[in-house]
Formats: sequence, structure tokens, C-alpha cells
Amino acid sequence: DTAVSQTPKYLVTQMGNDKSIKCEQNLGHDTMYWYKQDSKKFLKIMFSYNNKELIINETVPNRFSPKSPDKAHLNLHINSLELGDSAVYFCASSQLLGNEQFFGPGTRLTVL
Amino acid sequence: AQSVTQPDIHITVSEGASLELRCNYSYGATPYLFWYVQSPGQGLQLLLKYFSGDTLVQGIKGFEAEFKRSQSSFNLRKPSVHWSDAAEYFCAVGAGYGNKLVFGAGTILRVKS
Repeated sequence: DTAVSQTPKYLVTQMGNDKSIKCEQNLGHDTMYWYKQDSKKFLKIMFSYNNKELIINETVPNRFSPKSPDKAHLNLHINSLELGDSAVYFCASSQLLGNEQFFGPGTRLTVL
Repeated sequence: AQSVTQPDIHITVSEGASLELRCNYSYGATPYLFWYVQSPGQGLQLLLKYFSGDTLVQGIKGFEAEFKRSQSSFNLRKPSVHWSDAAEYFCAVGAGYGNKLVFGAGTILRVKS
């Protein structure tokens, strides 16, 4: 069974479009995250949610809007896509106090 | 602010040789430290973690790491590298409220036969 899953795995789209990436975890964790890995493989936190509430927003543009319908899901919606949004986006989950994060397989977003 | 430095961008070792990947961190409190591995086109897999206690921690795939507070280091080691260990390795520190991970820039390991 996949612990943290993301869909789609690949996403190719035009500038200006709106797209969503979905994430689900079946680990029973309370906290979920989105990370962005740029072309140089640098990983940086974007958002963190605990029990459906936003607890970290690392100065991400307003075009990015995470949505957590329940604590097992954290989706990422991106409006008005720009070339610089091209990256691999990773979802992760953990127990808040446990700190050990489990990562999904990633979604490679390419904006043309 | 928290930060993690991995001084080596690339390391090449021969199969069967020993390996040490360096990691230095900057964090005001007692750190939670992690090593993750990423194979090409894959997600991140946790190799090992340090929260407290014994400063030498064992992980999966024969890896170990030693926490040295005086040197602010958490170096990853393996006594004998296998070709399948070729991947990119990331050191990370768990940084306080919100539980975010701050990652180093990664070290690419190449294994030559």
C-alpha cells in the first residue's frame, strides 16, 4: 500500500493556466506538507497543515492555494502558472511531534 | 535561521569502498536531524534520524550517522558501498514550530565499479 500518494506524476501545461495536484496519505498522520524542488534539486518547504489548519506558509505567492478537505488529503492549486513554477512538487506527512516525514513520489510540473 | 550545509556536491567512490557524506547544521536548539536518499526520478526515502540519546544512529541499507554537537555535524557513513547506493543524499534539520524540514543542497553519490 502506498503511504503518501500524489497525482498526477507529470503535469505539462501552458503559462497562465490553472492546475491542481492532489495528495493523500494513509498513515493516519496529523500533519501534511508541500515542498518544492527546483531545477538544482534544492528542496524548500511551501506549506504545512495540521488537522486541516494552515500552520506554515513560507512566503509562497498567493497564486498557490493549498486545500485540506480532511487530514488525509492536502491538495495544491496553482493559478496563473508561470515559467518559474516548473519544478518537482513533493507532498509529505508526519505526526506533528514526531518530525519524521514521509514523502510522496513527487509531481513534475512543466510550464511552457 | 536554521540552515544545513552539505559541502560536497558530488562524490565518487569505488564499489566496496567506505563512504562518508558531510553535513553541518545551524540551529539554536537541540536539532532533529535526518538523512534522506533520492534515486533518479523518485521521491525521498528516510535513511535514518537523530532525535536524542545515542549519538551514533543506525539506519536502513547499512548506513549510520554520528551526531557531534561540538562540530554541529551529522555525517553519514557506510563501510562498504554498493552500486545500488548511487543516488542523491539530503541532510535535513527539523526546525521547531510547524515541524518543517530545512534541507541541505544534496550530495550526488556516484559509484564506480
